[in-house]
Amino acid sequence: DIQMTQSPSSLSASVGDRVTITCRPSQSISTYLNWYQQKPGKAPNLLIYAASSLQSGVPSRFSGSGSGTDFTLTISGLQPEDFATYYCQQSHNTPPTFGGGTKVEIK
Amino acid sequence: EVQLVESGGGLVQPGGSLRLSCAASGFTVSDHYMDWVRQAPGKGLEWVGRTRNKVNSYTTEYAASVKGRFTISRDDSNNSLYLQVNSLKTEDTAVYYCARWRPITGTTNAFDIWGQGTMVSVSS
Repeated sequence: DIQMTQSPSSLSASVGDRVTITCRPSQSISTYLNWYQQKPGKAPNLLIYAASSLQSGVPSRFSGSGSGTDFTLTISGLQPEDFATYYCQQSHNTPPTFGGGTKVEIK
Repeated sequence: EVQLVESGGGLVQPGGSLRLSCAASGFTVSDHYMDWVRQAPGKGLEWVGRTRNKVNSYTTEYAASVKGRFTISRDDSNNSLYLQVNSLKTEDTAVYYCARWRPITGTTNAFDIWGQGTMVSVSS
């Protein structure tokens, strides 16, 4: 199975900040990488697919980049509703595997 | 509206069984790969298993941690899928989500629709 390593595991930021989360798979996955947002008590929600494509309805302040073994999720101008946990997930192989999550908290 | 609604969770003793249900609306389940994903309290997301679509003969695949204990099935007449969980262990305690695994582009798949989850607690 492909192991997904996310960093940091948590971060504190203020409204308006630029936030960057990193995801590194244990082997190259081309751009088969998705990002999800999960708020407390809710199901995950797809934000970005294929490393850099924005899912319909997701604000443009979210962006993704990367390929191979190095990926980044960036939130440009953090909003109050963005405080949540973010997960990366690879779709290169079965089983699909997730990173450990990054909790974005209010500073 | 496209949605998934799970039910059937509860408190069960170690070694016990449950049948989780996932009812779909707004789309036809038989056209899609459907997965189960779980999340232990305060932990991350773990893939449990998959049932492929009708074109691919509804074949199933499971995580090593549940293989032989969990079984995914479907009922096309009710547009639903199920997760039979047997021989439960305390480490199976989690929220169980059903999710649609869909090709978003020609080559990329993602979980684009999730249910709200159903809690399974395994404790004596």
